[in-house]
Amino acid sequence: EVQLLESGGGLVQPGGSLRLSCAASGFTFSSYAMSWVRQAPGKGLEWVSAISGGGGTTAYADSVKGRLTISRDNSKNTLYLQMNSLRAEDTAVYYCAHCSAGTCYRGCFDPWGQGTLVTVSS
Amino acid sequence: DIQMTQSPSSLSASVGDRVTITCRAGQSISSYLNWYQQKPGKAPKLLIYAASSLQSGVPSRFSGGGSGTDFTLTVSSLQPEDFATYYCQQSYSAPYTFGQGTNLEIK
Repeated sequence: EVQLLESGGGLVQPGGSLRLSCAASGFTFSSYAMSWVRQAPGKGLEWVSAISGGGGTTAYADSVKGRLTISRDNSKNTLYLQMNSLRAEDTAVYYCAHCSAGTCYRGCFDPWGQGTLVTVSS
Repeated sequence: DIQMTQSPSSLSASVGDRVTITCRAGQSISSYLNWYQQKPGKAPKLLIYAASSLQSGVPSRFSGGGSGTDFTLTVSSLQPEDFATYYCQQSYSAPYTFGQGTNLEIK
């Protein structure tokens, strides 16, 4: 059974940094692309970033490009999201999601982790 | 970016009703359209992938259709556990955009 467990969320001041982690189990981690999707309080879903199974290909939403960086350590079965220059509008629950193949391109997100809340506020 | 527009934004229905939610893409996305269900405080769950393929374990009362720019999610006979928010999502090209969601409420 695929399991994803996010951690690292919390309260951070505007302009600050945070690193999220997503520990994966139940599948061959290096064979699958992964994504981060976020949901602001009371709002809909927003795709944030994706990374290929080998880590060599990444993609970002324009809203986070240059500030958030996705990476993975296949030896630790862990996905990361480094978040810098955080803004109030980055406040959201961040979910990691398993993509259905080596790429999220033309695939789907299944399953999702339980999410971790990031609050950007002074 | 490909804009995804769902309608309606909210819907009231009764147990046993048949309901249909529509999702329209801003350009053709072939059949690269997925549907998710989200309950309050929970992560989204995949229901339908590639426009019409039912994810394993999802009840057969859920069905998806469409291609190109217009897609539908139909629930043939609503059950109490189906009251939730539903999202469509395109995977045709990054950024992998979602619709704004449809909140399905009990009448």
